Amino acid sequence: RKEVEQDPGPFNVPEGATVAFNCTYSNSASQSFFWYRQDCRKEPKLLMSVYSSGNEDGRFTAQLNRASQYISLLIRDSKLSDSATYLCVVPLEGSYIPTFGRGTSLIVHP
Amino acid sequence: DAGVIQSPRHEVTEMGQEVTLRCKPISGHNSLFWYRQTMMRGLELLIYFNNNVPIDDSGMPEDRFSAKMPNASFSTLKIQPSEPRDSAVYFCASSLVDQPQHFGDGTRLSIL
Repeated sequence: RKEVEQDPGPFNVPEGATVAFNCTYSNSASQSFFWYRQDCRKEPKLLMSVYSSGNEDGRFTAQLNRASQYISLLIRDSKLSDSATYLCVVPLEGSYIPTFGRGTSLIVHP
Repeated sequence: DAGVIQSPRHEVTEMGQEVTLRCKPISGHNSLFWYRQTMMRGLELLIYFNNNVPIDDSGMPEDRFSAKMPNASFSTLKIQPSEPRDSAVYFCASSLVDQPQHFGDGTRLSIL
């Protein structure tokens, strides 16, 4: 099993839709989780951290499911500008070195 | 505050040439990462420094790649000799331990 796995997509959704991505991980001891956004030909940028209790930032909600070892990102009321690749970050097994998933591509169309 | 600064932004060179990529991390950050990104392999961690010391270089592809961090404000990634398969975007990122990373704009490297 890979350390960090994401569905590459693309997820193709209309404006206004709600879309959710999952990211599964193998390191059961992981404590720090993050979601990043990467636009085409740009650097990854932090979108939000993922806390044990879940957290929300406007239209974005991040949740952690320790029992099933995955984190999720929910985007409500999708905008055209949400089109990007979303990367999850989880520490490697036995270390605190962050590992990036391959990313999930989101395309929001009019 | 200035973010992570990488140079050059673009580099085109012929195979066999030496390539040096540079990175200035955010002041106060004690962790520095070099990544390589391609369509085929995604974002790969090459090497991780903590307090200027290389902690994990298991991602460095081969002996042609080397990285140094002589002080807390500067790091280099060197490829010698370069090959066409080294063509990629190389990112440098810095952070405090266990905190989110901040990325530079990247260096787009093309080896002809």
